[in-house]
Amino acid sequence: SQQGEEDPQALSIQEGENATMNCSYKTSINNLQWYRQNSGRGLVHLILIRSNEREKHSGRLRVTLDTSKKSSSLLITASRAADTASYFCATGVMEYGNKLVFGAGTILRVKS
Amino acid sequence: GAVVSQHPSRVICKSGTSVKIECRSLDFQATTMFWYRQFPKKSLMLMATSNEGSKATYEQGVEKDKFLINHASLTLSTLTVTSAHPEDSSFYICSVGQPPLAKNIQYFGAGTRLSVL
Repeated sequence: SQQGEEDPQALSIQEGENATMNCSYKTSINNLQWYRQNSGRGLVHLILIRSNEREKHSGRLRVTLDTSKKSSSLLITASRAADTASYFCATGVMEYGNKLVFGAGTILRVKS
Repeated sequence: GAVVSQHPSRVICKSGTSVKIECRSLDFQATTMFWYRQFPKKSLMLMATSNEGSKATYEQGVEKDKFLINHASLTLSTLTVTSAHPEDSSFYICSVGQPPLAKNIQYFGAGTRLSVL
């Protein structure tokens, strides 16, 4: 079953603005990952944060993890039209081995 | 990261026919591959874990006889949708788990859009 829930479901912003997406999960995790999917395409891995980490950066991406609240956020700074895509969080769950459980996703639209 | 090739990208077939989708790991040997199904504007639903040289592990509710998975080599896994019906129309995506698997990072193919008439 899908344990991740994301909000907002859809987000529309102007180019240059920051975009924040949130993800919540239900069970203990090994790590949490964010993926991006362009329309009609496969997913691309963006960033991974381990359960013992609180924040991680990669270029214009900033991910936070709060294991006490079982939540994570993805911040994209200075957004570009090319950032338009769906973004999914995925959790590596201890009892699931190497499987990932994906959240419902946030559809981001960046208007130029 | 790993390079994954999925073929075909799109297939249209008549009801009752079988469709085979290929997933290839191009730059490393993959002992584990994953098959997902995605409905429009929805998340990915894991169908099965494909293990090289052994039987696939199917998720609850996924019909093994309907969705046949073969992982005969370290670079190729196939998903065959048998006797396809319109309700099988969907977007199917494969992924490869690159070692170390403890990191769970997966690399995805571009997906196959199946339309059953």
